[in-house]
Amino acid sequence: KNEVEQSPQNLTAQEGEFITINCSYSVGISALHWLQQHPGGGIVSLFMLSSGKKKHGRLIATINIQEKHSSLHITASHPRDSAVYICAVSNFGNEKLTFGTGTRLTIIP
Amino acid sequence: DSGVTQTPKHLITATGQRVTLRCSPRSGDLSVYWYQQSLDQGLQFLIQYYNGEERAKGNILERFSAQQFPDLHSELNLSSLELGDSALYFCASSDRTSGKAFFGPGTRLTVL
Repeated sequence: KNEVEQSPQNLTAQEGEFITINCSYSVGISALHWLQQHPGGGIVSLFMLSSGKKKHGRLIATINIQEKHSSLHITASHPRDSAVYICAVSNFGNEKLTFGTGTRLTIIP
Repeated sequence: DSGVTQTPKHLITATGQRVTLRCSPRSGDLSVYWYQQSLDQGLQFLIQYYNGEERAKGNILERFSAQQFPDLHSELNLSSLELGDSALYFCASSDRTSGKAFFGPGTRLTVL
């Protein structure tokens, strides 16, 4: 069993829909990261969370430490949101990342 | 632009060869991480350097080595290359205060 599990693996939605991507982890962590990887390959850090909720524009990330679960939400989705979203965790004392397998999101106009 | 630079962007080479990938972290960041992204294995941590010293090692093959120089740039050396080494290699640095990761654009290595 992987330390970090994401679901779904693939998600296709219509423009404007509310999107939720889930991440579960099995180890103790210091922080959970949500990353975005566009088709060109570059990786951008969207959020880094250790508790609660963060919001940036149309993106919202939440984490439940007790349940070892995080969600990434996208409101009013747009075709430019099409990308692979990757959940990753880092551990106390070392910020190296352990990654989930990613969720490929496609938003259809 | 994350502030992390990597060169080259693309590298095509033959089996058995040796290549060097280069990374410069964001100004002020002391840590450099190397990650490999292959189609079958996803993103995996290879190795971390902090202020010139090796800090952590992941799934890095013995044919691979890295170092971090006094100016904090890092090099990842891959030798005796095999077809399976074809992948995207990312370098990242982390903010000293927050721990947030910043990724370079990656080097796409193709071994023929």
